Amino acid sequence: NAGVTQTPKFQVLKTGQSMTLQCAQDMNHEYMSWYRQDPGMGLRLIHYSVGAGITDQGEVPNGYNVSRSTTEDFPLRLLSAAPSQTSVYFCASSYSRGKNIQYFGAGTRLSVL
Amino acid sequence: GENVEQHPSTLSVQEGDSAVIKCTYSDSASNYFPWYKQELGKGPQLIIDIRSNVGEKKDQRIAVTLNKTAKHFSLHITETQPEDSAVYFCAARLSNFGNEKLTFGTGTRLTIIP
Repeated sequence: NAGVTQTPKFQVLKTGQSMTLQCAQDMNHEYMSWYRQDPGMGLRLIHYSVGAGITDQGEVPNGYNVSRSTTEDFPLRLLSAAPSQTSVYFCASSYSRGKNIQYFGAGTRLSVL
Repeated sequence: GENVEQHPSTLSVQEGDSAVIKCTYSDSASNYFPWYKQELGKGPQLIIDIRSNVGEKKDQRIAVTLNKTAKHFSLHITETQPEDSAVYFCAARLSNFGNEKLTFGTGTRLTIIP
């Protein structure tokens, strides 16, 4: 069982470039979410999804878009990268209502120059 | 919204000693409190969790205590080993049914000294 898979593991962008961070889970989880991790700030929620076709904003959504066309995939899009988006990004998923264990991917380390 | 504070930010303990990490939360409606361990270069992994109807939970060398009145919860690691060295995060979740959003603390870097 692969769990939550994130690609790429590392990425360097120039300011203004766009890219998509991929996240896939094979556990048939309804809930998926994206976090960013910055030094001294813990994990902050960017966007989340409670099921296919449904997404909502988290704590720090500006500059990011998401979509959830399938249960398995939850990509995170940066439309115009900024240096402030330099961070480590984690995707997480959890099973369903009442089952709160979130499983995290290994992360994507993004640098925006 | 929920706010979670975590202390200390760094902690060094001698191998074999105990380690305690403390968190406080702001919203009395929070009802689920997980602890995650993050090893270098990896994503966080759940190590133990507690719900608001329980005061303490143990799993081998790890225990979590919850004081709902004071709105704080703590992670206790006994007989620490080198492999316990990692960053630990506490989190809290509000009780909205179907809401899986967690609010995380800022993390504690635990170093076990051999």
